[in-house]
Amino acid sequence: AQSVTQLDSQVPVFEEAPVELRCNYSSSVSVYLFWYVQYPNQGLQLLLKYLSGSTLVKGINGFEAEFNKSQTSFHLRKPSVHISDTAEYFCAVSANFGNEKLTFGTGTRLTIIP
Amino acid sequence: NAGVTQTPKFRVLKTGQSMTLLCAQDMNHEYMYWYRQDPGMGLRLIHYSVGEGTTAKGEVPDGYNVSRLKKQNFLLGLESAAPSQTSVYFCASSYGESWSYNSPLHFGNGTRLTVT
Repeated sequence: AQSVTQLDSQVPVFEEAPVELRCNYSSSVSVYLFWYVQYPNQGLQLLLKYLSGSTLVKGINGFEAEFNKSQTSFHLRKPSVHISDTAEYFCAVSANFGNEKLTFGTGTRLTIIP
Repeated sequence: NAGVTQTPKFRVLKTGQSMTLLCAQDMNHEYMYWYRQDPGMGLRLIHYSVGEGTTAKGEVPDGYNVSRLKKQNFLLGLESAAPSQTSVYFCASSYGESWSYNSPLHFGNGTRLTVT
């Protein structure tokens, strides 16, 4: 089985500043990694995913994440945030075979300060 | 194209009452899921279905039942509601396995359930 840890439950950031949301995972097998975003009063939507290939993955809205196998991390970054980025961000992991389902982290609430 | 639609959006139940949450998707997806979202616990999978007429247990299935009589609908039932089931419930669907390349999860906007 796999697990995901998002150490930061809340991250306040000033508008136009950079941000990094941390995600670490644990698994005994190879995994796929995802970041989902949840805007207020909405369901989750896919931000980006790592399945294979380049360890730097670019997603929507200027976000990117880097897969680091040795550190078992998949941190999400954005060089300059906007008010519209205020949301909750979930990291998720799945084994890359069989009928394994996504396991979600506990989420990080990103608050942008004007 | 509505995507994933959940009804109702809000509901308040008394302990012991029953109810059914409806999820409908119009994307012809094979896979459907029910999650619950609780503060500090993220999303946890309750039940899922890999096709019409099939259901399977997820991480936290106790106290819930599901049915998938039609491909586009996935129902979540609470037979005897308990305060511990107060949560936000999300339905999701996907074309294939949730990890596969072109098969992201599509979520509904959630149902906020309070059990008093």
